[in-house]
Amino acid sequence: ETGVTQTPRHLVMGMTNKKSLKCEQHLGHNAMYWYKQSAKKPLELMFVYNFKEQTENNSVPSRFSPECPNSSHLFLHLHTLQPEDSALYLCASSRDGQEGGELFFGEGSRLTVL
Amino acid sequence: DAKTTQPTSMDCAEGRAANLPCNHSTISGNEYVYWYRQIHSQGPQYIIHGLKNNETNEMASLIITEDRKSSTLILPHATLRDTAVYYCIVHPNTGTASKLTFGTGTRLQVTL
Repeated sequence: ETGVTQTPRHLVMGMTNKKSLKCEQHLGHNAMYWYKQSAKKPLELMFVYNFKEQTENNSVPSRFSPECPNSSHLFLHLHTLQPEDSALYLCASSRDGQEGGELFFGEGSRLTVL
Repeated sequence: DAKTTQPTSMDCAEGRAANLPCNHSTISGNEYVYWYRQIHSQGPQYIIHGLKNNETNEMASLIITEDRKSSTLILPHATLRDTAVYYCIVHPNTGTASKLTFGTGTRLQVTL
């Protein structure tokens, strides 16, 4: 138990569907992240939020739409995805302002796009 | 440019020490060495980090060479549950974790 909870753990969707991934952290952290991990590839940073403000967007396609309503919750809205978007999507949080390198990850949401 | 270099895979017998090396010859003075691991299909887990002194916690020990160009993560008594991919990352002390870049890591297989 890392204090970061992701739902759903598994999701199967068609290319025309709209779905959302949810992440919640109970650690009092101020920064939250979305990472993507495709098969046999390193983790790729997608988005960073700090105090609800997006601070990084790593050239992610617009079919991925993040939302951070407060410092404890992070969503990733998905629409018109492609099969190559099938991957493990990981949420993480950190307490920035200190050394800043310790991330706490959730268990991930495994997405399959048909 | 790869900032760290790690072996692709290693094996270790259960109960023995697992020594995972990492080269970071271009490390800057303000960069820390971080280690994470990822057990299959789970999120990465922070293990330990250090700047120049050796560090130890309940999970592992981190030995950093005096010139800081390489380090070794030591799991003193490896168990089957330590089978995972281990990532060595250099990260500047910028106060944010957003510059953490995960490479391909070392796949450690602990065997009976």
